[in-house]
Amino acid sequence: NAGVTQTPKFQVLKTGQSMTLQCAQDMNHNSMYWYRQDPGMGLRLIYYSASEGTTDKGEVPNGYNVSRLNKREFSLRLESAAPSQTSVYFCASTETERGVFEKLFFGSGTQLSVL
Amino acid sequence: GESVGLHLPTLSVQEGDNSIINCAYSNSASDYFIWYKQESGKGPQFIIDIRSNMDKRQGQRVTVLLNKTVKHLSLQIAATQPGDSAVYFCAETADFGNEKLTFGTGTRLTIIP
Repeated sequence: NAGVTQTPKFQVLKTGQSMTLQCAQDMNHNSMYWYRQDPGMGLRLIYYSASEGTTDKGEVPNGYNVSRLNKREFSLRLESAAPSQTSVYFCASTETERGVFEKLFFGSGTQLSVL
Repeated sequence: GESVGLHLPTLSVQEGDNSIINCAYSNSASDYFIWYKQESGKGPQFIIDIRSNMDKRQGQRVTVLLNKTVKHLSLQIAATQPGDSAVYFCAETADFGNEKLTFGTGTRLTIIP
């Protein structure tokens, strides 16, 4: 069982560079999420996709864009990376049926450093 | 805005003892609560969840208690083992119509051999 797979695991960027973080889940979940985790802080929601074809902003969306490519894949793009975006990024998914929230399943994370 | 917080950022417990990790929440509309465990370098791992129509739920060596009156959530781990050393997060959401979990800042649990 792969669950939620994120690539890459590590990435170093220079300020102003762009990159896309990839996420795929094989659990046939409707909802997918991108979180960032900074030292001493909990996970903060960047963007989420409640279903294929929809995306919504979370708590900290500035500087990011997302694409729900299909039901399995949800990518996060940094168009012009900034040092403030140095963080660990987690993708997650869940099956939310009839408005009833269920637990999130997380990937193993991408550690991103912006110099 | 609403927030989810923890009373203690760190907790050290002797191996074999029980541990209790506490969490306060402020959103009175919250009706789903969940605990995650995160080991170093890994993603959060689900431990146990509870809905607001319950005040206690038990799993394997873990128990979650919910006190809606004082907006307090706790995670009890029985007979702690070295593998229990990790950061523990509580999270909450108001269920219907809300697709988002709000996470607390975490408590680092260290098991002393």
